Amino acid sequence: DIQMTQSPSSLSASLGGKVTITCKASQDINKYIAWYQHKPGKGPRLLIHYTSTLQPGIPSRFSGSGSGRDYSFSISNLEPEDIATYYCLQYDNLLLTFGAGTKLELK
Amino acid sequence: EVQLQQSGPELVKPGASMKISCKASGYSFTGYTMNWVKQSHGKNLEWIGLINPYNGGTSYNQKFKGKATLTVDKSSSTAYMELLSLTSEDSAVYYCARRATPYAMDYWGQGTSVTVSS
Repeated sequence: DIQMTQSPSSLSASLGGKVTITCKASQDINKYIAWYQHKPGKGPRLLIHYTSTLQPGIPSRFSGSGSGRDYSFSISNLEPEDIATYYCLQYDNLLLTFGAGTKLELK
Repeated sequence: EVQLQQSGPELVKPGASMKISCKASGYSFTGYTMNWVKQSHGKNLEWIGLINPYNGGTSYNQKFKGKATLTVDKSSSTAYMELLSLTSEDSAVYYCARRATPYAMDYWGQGTSVTVSS
């Protein structure tokens, strides 16, 4: 199985600020990483796939980058509706695996 | 509009089995695999497996073989996951999510909470 090490597990940021989350894969995942936003009581929402491709309707405040084993996800100009838990997912391997999640809170 | 509507919360006794449904609408049901994901302790996500509604083919995470059985009813565009011999370790929220390989899972159901308790 490919392990996805996501950090930090939680972070606190101010409205208008910028946050960055990282995921490190246990092997090269060929940019097949997606990022999800998850709010209580709902299904996860796909924000970015293939490292940096925004889903339709997702604002450009969200961005992703990386290659090989190392990937990052950023949110700039934080807004109140960005408060959620964020997960990375690798889908290079048939056995899909997720990062442990990052809980974003307002400072 | 793509929608995946899951069945409601369940309280089941240890040792019992139960089935969760996921009714798809707004897209061609047979054009995407249906995946199932477990969320334990309010955070950790695990991929359980997938079913191809076109031909009924399945692929499971080895960890969930013998625990979950995936089926579909093409006539009603509904996917099902049966959970067998339930224990407290199976208490979790379960999600269905569609995927067009080789892309990521894009639309998810709202989740079904399963509580295993006597």
